[in-house]
Amino acid sequence: AQTVTQSQPEMSVQEAETVTLSCTYDTSESDYYLFWYKQPPSRQMILVIRQEAYKQQNATENRFSVNFQKAAKSFSLKISDSQLGDAAMYFCAYRMLNTDKLIFGTGTRLQVFP
Amino acid sequence: DVKVTQSSRYLVKRTGEKVFLECVQDMDHENMFWYRQDPGLGLRLIYFSYDVKMKEKGDIPEGYSVSREKKERFSLILESASTNQTSMYLCASSFPFRSSVTYNEQFFGPGTRLTVL
Repeated sequence: AQTVTQSQPEMSVQEAETVTLSCTYDTSESDYYLFWYKQPPSRQMILVIRQEAYKQQNATENRFSVNFQKAAKSFSLKISDSQLGDAAMYFCAYRMLNTDKLIFGTGTRLQVFP
Repeated sequence: DVKVTQSSRYLVKRTGEKVFLECVQDMDHENMFWYRQDPGLGLRLIYFSYDVKMKEKGDIPEGYSVSREKKERFSLILESASTNQTSMYLCASSFPFRSSVTYNEQFFGPGTRLTVL
């Protein structure tokens, strides 16, 4: 069965600095999707970034980028120039190609200090 | 903008009560999901619906049922609420993987924090 592991329950970063959140997963599939979702305090969960496994190039969305290491089954999220609004729970999620269900990690709470 | 709404942000119920959590989406998504979110456990799927009146059990369906009579609305029912069902409940929706949409990402509602006393 597929699993997603986020080994950092909490992380903190200074404003304007860079932080990396780790995510590893276990699968025997060769193609699949990976996602990072952000859940701000008392606000709706939103998609931050997504990656399809067959694409070698790491996805980037403005200050958010991923380091996708397929062989190592690692999908870390890098947040550059951190802002106070980046403070949130971050969830890593995996989906097989031919299914609708997501498998989530346990989440990392990110604190941003001024 | 995709909009997924949930009927209540906060709900307090008593043990043994029947509880209804409602979710509505306006993107014509075929799929709708109910998750439970607990600290240290992440999001766990309770039930999934892939069409009107169609449903599939998730990882933790015990103590819950669902209803989908219309495409845009998906209800989660706690037949007899218990204190161990105190949690945050999240609804989500998406297009199916078989559609032409590439990532079929899920869009989430704001959540309902349920407390059972």
